[in-house]
Amino acid sequence: GAGVSQSPSNKVTEKGKDVELRCDPISGHTALYWYRQSLGQGLEFLIYFQGNSAPDKSGLPSDRFSAERTGGSVSTLTIQRTQQEDSAVYLCASTQKPEGEQYFGPGTRLTVT
Amino acid sequence: SQKIEQNSEALNIQEGKTATLTCNYTNYSPAYLQWYRQDPGRGPVFLLLIRENEKEKRKERLKVTFDTTLKQSLFHITASQPADSATYLCALDWSGSARQLTFGSGTQLTVLP
Repeated sequence: GAGVSQSPSNKVTEKGKDVELRCDPISGHTALYWYRQSLGQGLEFLIYFQGNSAPDKSGLPSDRFSAERTGGSVSTLTIQRTQQEDSAVYLCASTQKPEGEQYFGPGTRLTVT
Repeated sequence: SQKIEQNSEALNIQEGKTATLTCNYTNYSPAYLQWYRQDPGRGPVFLLLIRENEKEKRKERLKVTFDTTLKQSLFHITASQPADSATYLCALDWSGSARQLTFGSGTQLTVLP
């Protein structure tokens, strides 16, 4: 079946604007993750959703960041009042079971000018 | 806090040789460790998972070792090919529940023809 998809693939926004990034996980995968990857850096964990449990938001860098997952499927990451340091590639991953391999989407490259 | 260190320098090797990548971590050993491959502009792709009670795992030309005494994992690619050129990431789960996978910054491998 289809892999993890993300949209948009690229987003350029002005400082102070809000942005929404979308992730469509693989059908049937109960766990969904958001990561951020800055140039030349590793992946930084942002948030984790598992089924109907409360999400693990411990990686969100500030209260400008929020995410939701509707119906246990599609997830949206929202960044309010974007700052230049928010510029990065935002990656989404899903997995069928805890400790299983994570399937990543292609990412959304966010540039804040 | 827990830290992960991968080969800090990019690694260049000649085609046909064995590439060895290092992943070192601090503090206590994770429940398991994963290795991913990432090509430019794409999300990481899962390669191998090794648990704390396993010493070695193989898959085709790939081999991973896990030494909890040294707090180190080694990732080997035998008979390397130019197509193996990519960035390789190690990822550790200290929780054992996959809630937070912590990624290293990666090692950029170039296999020269």
